[in-house]
Amino acid sequence: EPEVTQTPSHQVTQMGQEVILRCVPISNHLYFYWYRQILGQKVEFLVSFYNNEISEKSEIFDDQFSVERPDGSNFTLKIRSTKLEDSAMYFCASIPDSPSGANVLTFGAGSRLTVL
Amino acid sequence: DAKTTQPNSMESNEEEPVHLPCNHSTISGTDYIHWYRQLPSQGPEYVIHGLTSNVNNRMASLAIAEDRKSSTLILHRATLRDAAVYYCILRPSNSGYALNFGKGTSLLVTP
Repeated sequence: EPEVTQTPSHQVTQMGQEVILRCVPISNHLYFYWYRQILGQKVEFLVSFYNNEISEKSEIFDDQFSVERPDGSNFTLKIRSTKLEDSAMYFCASIPDSPSGANVLTFGAGSRLTVL
Repeated sequence: DAKTTQPNSMESNEEEPVHLPCNHSTISGTDYIHWYRQLPSQGPEYVIHGLTSNVNNRMASLAIAEDRKSSTLILHRATLRDAAVYYCILRPSNSGYALNFGKGTSLLVTP
């Protein structure tokens, strides 16, 4: 079954450092998403991306965050200057085409970010 | 966004059916009812979704009340692998996938 692949599985960084989390969505998918889950809390939407543009973002997704599709396969989330509160699991997800009723999200296994 | 209410936790015996309830009294006519689950240390996983009619797939069944103000996810025969947090989410048909996961129901399956 096709998978969304995320790397790294776990990253430890110092506060203030830049972090890039990488995702390889399913190959024929066109809409891409990042969600995060702080330990013990609910899964929260960060951003959606389509046709090389952000299509929707939450209040969490401030100027510290950016997303990019640098080539035909990778989708990245960059945190410019990490804070302690950025420590969380970050999940990438994708859907094949337009967000119609028939589509459902396929999530990756997540990247755990620990900010010290 | 229309809100859903689920019990915090439920327990089931292995190989027994499980009925996971969800209330969504403020649902609008264009809201799809989605169910996802999250196994320990994994990303969310799609289970099933529907609009008005009951739905079946290889994982589960979704029973939707006639007034659509509630729904029930049915696992016909729970296995230990079904132990997870189950999320009932409303998604307007004309919107994207900024899903509101809520706290979900933590299902414990005992042998």
